[in-house]
Amino acid sequence: AQSVTQPDIHITVSEGASLELRCNYSYGATPYLFWYVQSPGQGLQLLLKYFSGDTLVQGIKGFEAEFKRSQSSFNLRKPSVHWSDAAEYFCAVGASNTGKLIFGQGTTLQVKP
Amino acid sequence: SQTIHQWPATLVQPVGSPLSLECTVEGTSNPNLYWYRQAAGRGLQLLFYSVGIGQISSEVPQNLSASRPQDRQFILSSKKLLLSDSGFYLCAWSWDISYEQYFGPGTRLTVT
Repeated sequence: AQSVTQPDIHITVSEGASLELRCNYSYGATPYLFWYVQSPGQGLQLLLKYFSGDTLVQGIKGFEAEFKRSQSSFNLRKPSVHWSDAAEYFCAVGASNTGKLIFGQGTTLQVKP
Repeated sequence: SQTIHQWPATLVQPVGSPLSLECTVEGTSNPNLYWYRQAAGRGLQLLFYSVGIGQISSEVPQNLSASRPQDRQFILSSKKLLLSDSGFYLCAWSWDISYEQYFGPGTRLTVT
């Protein structure tokens, strides 16, 4: 069965520092992978997606993610974090032949001034 | 462009009362539609999804139900709410051939 693990529940970084949020997935074929961001009390916004091709994908708000098949990972990165990046981040994998997404439990990002 | 609406934005209901949450999508036809629940401090739990009018699949047994009376309308209902139904309810849509989902603003439900 497909699954997604986000090992870090909470992460705190200083403004201007680099960021990496980890995501590991379990899937038998080439996965469709996504990162979403959720501000408090809001819906989820798609940051970026990987379907095929270049394993380094660029998203909105300066985020990028790298698909590593050998490690079953799809980690999210940003070179310099802004205070407005404080939010909850969800990694998701597309379940085969259903269109359904399997979400990780989320990582809460806190940004220190 | 496509937009997704949910209402109400917030709702406080007593235990045992009925529930109706509505979700509508504009700017696309025959979308896949989804209802998720997000409990405090937890991830997203898929409750229902629909690939067409009148076609509903349930992911988790519960006292909630869903209906799709029109192509771009998705309704979440309950006859009698439980305390455990409290949470943040999110509706999402996707194109038929894509896994990419787009989410609405959500409804905060508090059952008292």
